[in-house]
Amino acid sequence: QKEVEQDPGPLSVPEGAIVSLNCTYSNSAFQYFMWYRQYSRKGPELLMYTYSSGNKEDGRFTAQVDKSSKYISLFIRDSQPSDSATYLCAMSEVASGTYKYIFGTGTRLKVLA
Amino acid sequence: SAVISQKPSRDICQRGTSLTIQCQVDSQVTMMFWYRQQPGQSLTLIATANQGSEATYESGFVIDKFPISRPNLTFSTLTVSNMSPEDSSIYLCSAEGTDYGYTFGSGTRLTVV
Repeated sequence: QKEVEQDPGPLSVPEGAIVSLNCTYSNSAFQYFMWYRQYSRKGPELLMYTYSSGNKEDGRFTAQVDKSSKYISLFIRDSQPSDSATYLCAMSEVASGTYKYIFGTGTRLKVLA
Repeated sequence: SAVISQKPSRDICQRGTSLTIQCQVDSQVTMMFWYRQQPGQSLTLIATANQGSEATYESGFVIDKFPISRPNLTFSTLTVSNMSPEDSSIYLCSAEGTDYGYTFGSGTRLTVV
């Protein structure tokens, strides 16, 4: 079993839809959870960062962590064609720089105009 | 967050040759990281590079194949040595962000023929 599982997609939605992207994990010691967005032929860029359980909102994006279920989600409201990208979840046991991150394989999202 | 310039952006190389990838960060960072990203797979950490010390390699990666330099707090190189077609991949450098998560370069798309 992989430490982090993520559905590769592709996921196609119409413009304006609410998108739900998810990852499951097996390591209960993970404390830090991140979502990255990667456009084609670009490096990943950090979208959201969450520590432990709970929700975090930033504009149209909401990150949710459920440690009891070992499940994290990223919601995108009012999705736009510019949101079309691959979304990678990542997680680590301790803060950035002191332990490596484990990445999911990424979910490819396509928002249709 | 730090901005990372990575070059070359892509290259096509002959089997048996070597390629050196460079990453320049616009601010001083303690730790830099090198990843490999293959289609359909998660980002795989190759090694962690700290200034003034030898790089720390992950399981499955060795210094003879992937020598790394870290001469100062803003620069690092990764060399892919004695290349074979199996080395065809995207190589990414990253560095600690100012608060959380990693900042990534735009990647080097390597094709070995």
